[in-house]
Amino acid sequence: DGGITQSPKYLFRKEGQNVTLSCEQNLNHDAMYWYRQDPGQGLRLIYYSQIVNDFQKGDIAEGYSVSREKKESFPLTVTSAQKNPTAFYLCATSGLRYEQYFGPGTRLTVT
Amino acid sequence: GEDVEQSLFLSVREGDSSVINCTYTDSSSTYLYWYKQEPGAGLQLLTYIFSNMDMKQDQRLTVLLNKKDKHLSLRIADTQTGDSAIYFCAEMGGATNKLIFGTGTLLAVQP
Repeated sequence: DGGITQSPKYLFRKEGQNVTLSCEQNLNHDAMYWYRQDPGQGLRLIYYSQIVNDFQKGDIAEGYSVSREKKESFPLTVTSAQKNPTAFYLCATSGLRYEQYFGPGTRLTVT
Repeated sequence: GEDVEQSLFLSVREGDSSVINCTYTDSSSTYLYWYKQEPGAGLQLLTYIFSNMDMKQDQRLTVLLNKKDKHLSLRIADTQTGDSAIYFCAEMGGATNKLIFGTGTLLAVQP
């Protein structure tokens, strides 16, 4: 069963704690992306990686960090420096025509 | 700068056609895309169109591209209640391989 998995679907954390969101893919795609979506809003790009061991900041990278040690995996850490971390986080990969395929998302709530 | 605009809301009756509109700014975009997002889920790629095409049809979906006016539309024929969702258009940024997403159009289908 090919695709993108994100876990967990719902995540709750206390303010001041770092939290890592998982994103795994078996589509053999090189490029991977992390987006943040707030209620009633579009997608904002946090980080992206076009190849293993390389990644670039997106439009709202402050307070987030990523790693890309394996082609299949692109975890996102939401640090305590992120001022408004509560949001819906979406991971995506990119195909041959630059079309992006999305995972099911993780809803993070920080209280 | 790059910006993709969509109207916020569209309401139609079941069985009618829906037309969702989008304007973009990057004339060098190679591909343009339409995505569907159901509540609490990730984005699902519906269709895409190459910039040298005027129209693409895929079952109930018809995409029209007016490159001169930088206008993209998605027509859904015989709209069903299951089509109720948020629809995003996206363009591929000319200088990068990143997608630029619109803010989304909420389609409400009345029975």
